Amino acid sequence: EVQLVESGGGLVQPGGSLRLSCAASGFTFSSYSMNWVRQAPGKGLEWTSYISSSSNTIYYADSVKGRFTVSRDNAKNSLFLQMDSLRDEDTAVYFCARDRGVGALPAGADYWGRGTLVTVSS
Amino acid sequence: DIQMTQSPSSLSASVRDRVTITCQASQDIGNYLNWYQQKPGKAPKLLIYDASSLETGVPSRFSGSGAGTDFTFTISSLQPEDIATYYCQQYDNLPHTFGGGTKVEIK
Repeated sequence: EVQLVESGGGLVQPGGSLRLSCAASGFTFSSYSMNWVRQAPGKGLEWTSYISSSSNTIYYADSVKGRFTVSRDNAKNSLFLQMDSLRDEDTAVYFCARDRGVGALPAGADYWGRGTLVTVSS
Repeated sequence: DIQMTQSPSSLSASVRDRVTITCQASQDIGNYLNWYQQKPGKAPKLLIYDASSLETGVPSRFSGSGAGTDFTFTISSLQPEDIATYYCQQYDNLPHTFGGGTKVEIK
């Protein structure tokens, strides 16, 4: 059974940093690209970042480019999101999601974690 | 960015009713469209990919159609467990944008 479990969320002040983790199991993590998607309270879904299986291809939404860094450790079946210079508008539940695309061609997510809440507030 | 316009934003229907949701892309996206279901407090679940392909294990009452800019998602016979918000997502171009969602309730 595919499982994705996010951790690392919490309350942080504007301008602060946070590092999210996603532990993957039930599939060959090193063979799949991964995404981070967020959802502000009561709002819709927003894709934020993508990383290919080998980390060779990385994409970001303009809203987080230059502030967020996605990475992965295939030996530890883990995905990460380093979030710096956080803003109020980054407040959201952050979902780790496995990409269903082949190679480094993103195609949306077929499995999602339950998410971790990040709250940016003073 | 490609804008995805989903309608209606909410609907109320009776059990066994046929429910239809539309999604319009601001430019041609071929068939590069997914449909997701999200129940309150839960992660989204992929139902339909490539505009019309049913994800493994998803009941056959769910279906999708369309290509280019206009897409339709249908629940052929609404069940109580289908209460959720449904989202379309294009994956033709980055960023992979989502529609605003359609909240489906039981009348």
